[in-house]
This record gives sequence, structure tokens and C-alpha cells, in this order.
Amino acid sequence: GAVVSQHPSRVICKSGTSVKIECRSLDFQATTMFWYRQFPKKSLMLMATSNEGSKATYEQGVEKDKFLINHASLTLSTLTVTSAHPEDSSFYICSAQILAGDHNEQFFGPGTRLTVL
Amino acid sequence: GENVEQHPSTLSVQEGDSAVIKCTYSDSASNYFPWYKQELGKRPQLIIDIRSNVGEKKDQRIAVTLNKTAKHFSLHITETQPEDSAVYFCAASSYFNKFYFGSGTKLNVKP
Repeated sequence: GAVVSQHPSRVICKSGTSVKIECRSLDFQATTMFWYRQFPKKSLMLMATSNEGSKATYEQGVEKDKFLINHASLTLSTLTVTSAHPEDSSFYICSAQILAGDHNEQFFGPGTRLTVL
Repeated sequence: GENVEQHPSTLSVQEGDSAVIKCTYSDSASNYFPWYKQELGKRPQLIIDIRSNVGEKKDQRIAVTLNKTAKHFSLHITETQPEDSAVYFCAASSYFNKFYFGSGTKLNVKP
């Protein structure tokens, strides 16, 4: 159980275009999902918290108009990188939260490698 | 907010030896401390976790210890094997809150 999928796994796009990444919880419902960005050989940087039915909460320094997050259902959150530029190239990973007693657990998707030319 | 520091950044050990990775956190409200293993190009996988009401937890060759007073927790891997080679991340979380990750430790187990 607790499987999270992401689509696409890899995407290459031209500068100025928008790219949508999907994160799905396959066998459970997740009211909260998280989006991370990971640079090569670096840690996971939390970008935003995605809440089903409400607006996402963005971390300091993350442009909400550039990284649009929609959590329209209990099993799907999407991240849209708008007007992508080469500096947006990165590994984007989502996670879905399961509440377990007095804490939450996060299960990660396989990640999406974005390359902006 | 929470600040999690992780050491060392890289660790090389001989197969069969033990490996220890240490993390410190700043927020005394943090009560959940998971450890993740990430292989190159793959998703982080939870390998062990510990709650603040427990001082130590063990799962076969992997153990985690927590010192709430000092605000630090450690991952111990015994009898290391080449397949243990990966990047390991610690994290800290308070009640139903987001995770704050350490900077990661690249473990290399030499056969």
C-alpha cells in the first residue's frame, strides 16, 4: 500500500512554455501532498504544501505565480511550472501524507526530471 | 522554523563495518524523526523512523537513537553491505506538520 505515482517521469521543454506534473496517490486518499525540488547531490527543498480543496501554502522564496499547484481531488495534485526557464531545470518530487496516530508519514513519488532548453 | 543539520556529508566504510549518521534539530516541538534512503535517480524510501516518546528503535541491521534533551538523533547501520550505498536523509516533523530534511549523507560501502 501507500503508493504514489508521478507523471511524466521526464520532460524536456522549450524556454517559455508551461509544464504540468501530476502526483497521484494510488491506493489511499491524501488531503495533503507536498512538492519538493531537488538539485543534483542536494537535499529535498520543500516548495509548497498542497491541500485538497484549498489554496496551496508556499515556502518562503517560492514564486506562487510561477509554480501553480492544484489539489482538485483527494488523490491528485498537480504542479504547473509556468513560463519555464533553464534555471527551472531540476528534479521535482511530490509526497502524499498519511496520518498515523500522533504523526504523519510521507510517501514519495518517483520524481519528474524537468529539462528546460 | 525547524532547522535540521546532518553530518557527515559523505561517509565511506568497508563492507561489514558500521556506519553512523548524525542529525540535530532546533525545534523542541518536533516529535517525529524519519530516515530516508535515496538511490540515484529514485524516490526517497522510508527505512526507519522514531517518535519522541522512544529513545531507540531497531530493525534488523538498522537502528535509530534519539536524545530529546540534546535535540539529536542518529542512524546506525551495522554489518554494512554494498547495497547500502545510497544517500540517506534525516527529517524532523512536529505534530501533523511538514517535514524538514537534513542535507543528506552519501554512504559508500566498499566491497
